Amino acid sequence: GQQVMQIPQYQHVQEGEDFTTYCNSSTTLSNIQWYKQRPGGHPVFLIQLVKSGEVKKQKRLTFQFGEAKKNSSLHITATQTTDVGTYFCAGLTGGGADGLTFGKGTHLIIQP
Amino acid sequence: EAGVAQSPRYKIIEKRQSVAFWCNPISGHATLYWYQQILGQGPKLLIQFQNNGVVDDSQLPKDRFSAERLKGVDSTLKIQPAKLEDSAVYLCASRTDRYTGELFFGEGSRLTVL
Repeated sequence: GQQVMQIPQYQHVQEGEDFTTYCNSSTTLSNIQWYKQRPGGHPVFLIQLVKSGEVKKQKRLTFQFGEAKKNSSLHITATQTTDVGTYFCAGLTGGGADGLTFGKGTHLIIQP
Repeated sequence: EAGVAQSPRYKIIEKRQSVAFWCNPISGHATLYWYQQILGQGPKLLIQFQNNGVVDDSQLPKDRFSAERLKGVDSTLKIQPAKLEDSAVYLCASRTDRYTGELFFGEGSRLTVL
């Protein structure tokens, strides 16, 4: 079945440093989504990428979808304490498989 | 707009007992999902409904798990009998479209099996 791998599993940064998490799929994705989950909370949608090579920005967050539509990244510039949480990518392979497959997530820990 | 409602929020049972979780999706959302999230891991899809029909239940342990969405609105997920490894948060999510768009998650139901 489809697998979505995320690295790193944990990332410790000093407040103000940048952060990047990477997502790789074993199959080509129809689209990819990113979610953030705060400790004790539920996943909250951040963005969806659909097109090959697509780049989207949300304030300090930059999302990229690879040319082959098998990988994606999320980059946060100048982290703040409010960025703490786990970031998940979730992919849809299409071809009749409907459910989003989530990666294991990257836990972002920020030291003030 | 009301979000996805789930109950109960917490449940503690002993192994071999049964438990049921309820989900009411956002009004008008035809697609409903049940995910299992074990501590420290990403959500794992258990079952997906499109209206009242099952679209994908390939990862649902059917010997002990069952789910239904009889009228195409709210849904119930049942576990019988529960095992220790079923301890997890059960997340319900919904969205308007089957293939694209934001998943709206409920707060989840945390199950502890002793």
